[in-house]
Amino acid sequence: SSELTQPPSLSVSPGQTARITCSGDILSTKFAYWYQLKSGQAPVLVIYADNKRPSGIPERFSGSSSGAVATLTISGAQDEDEADFYCCSTDTTGSHRGLFGGGTRLTVL
Amino acid sequence: EEQLVESGGGLVKPGGSARLSCAASGFIFGVYSMNWVRQAPGKGLEWVSTISSGSHFTYYADSVKGRFTTSRDNARTSVYLEMNSLRAEDSAVYYCARASDEDYQLMDVWGKGTKVTVSS
Repeated sequence: SSELTQPPSLSVSPGQTARITCSGDILSTKFAYWYQLKSGQAPVLVIYADNKRPSGIPERFSGSSSGAVATLTISGAQDEDEADFYCCSTDTTGSHRGLFGGGTRLTVL
Repeated sequence: EEQLVESGGGLVKPGGSARLSCAASGFIFGVYSMNWVRQAPGKGLEWVSTISSGSHFTYYADSVKGRFTTSRDNARTSVYLEMNSLRAEDSAVYYCARASDEDYQLMDVWGKGTKVTVSS
């Protein structure tokens, strides 16, 4: 089965651009999804199908994918964006089983 | 308001069983697939299981296959996770999440989770 690899942590200053990567062979053929998880809260879908933003998600959140790497970009990070971010896809081509990356803790300070 | 509410968590002894429920409201439950996702203490999110809208298809993570069973009752707008032979490593907050039959990874509505602790 595949793996999705994310950097464990990333720190940016308010107003800076945060880019969180997710690497995995499966991303060459399957979409990436991004979830934001804040302590004590339910996860929130922020990007789906590589680069689509659900309604209600601020425009500063965007996604892209090239080859085996998907990237979540937060343009002009704000204090409230501080959270853990997880990429997600399927574990193998043709599979319907989900797979999450290890998560990236974004610190905005 | 579209809402999912999990219940059934608690303290369970190793080798024991538990049944989690997830009650849906505010949307047409029967047209959506449902996922269970968990987060162990200090760990990341882990996909556990998916059940299609009409219960025709169910999928499980290798870590729970053969021990966990997902089912749903569309009339009661609820999905269930039956957990048997529980281990310490099953301790986690368990979330249910709505998806679609066309895209199981597009989980756009989540519950707040229910905590399961497996300990003697």
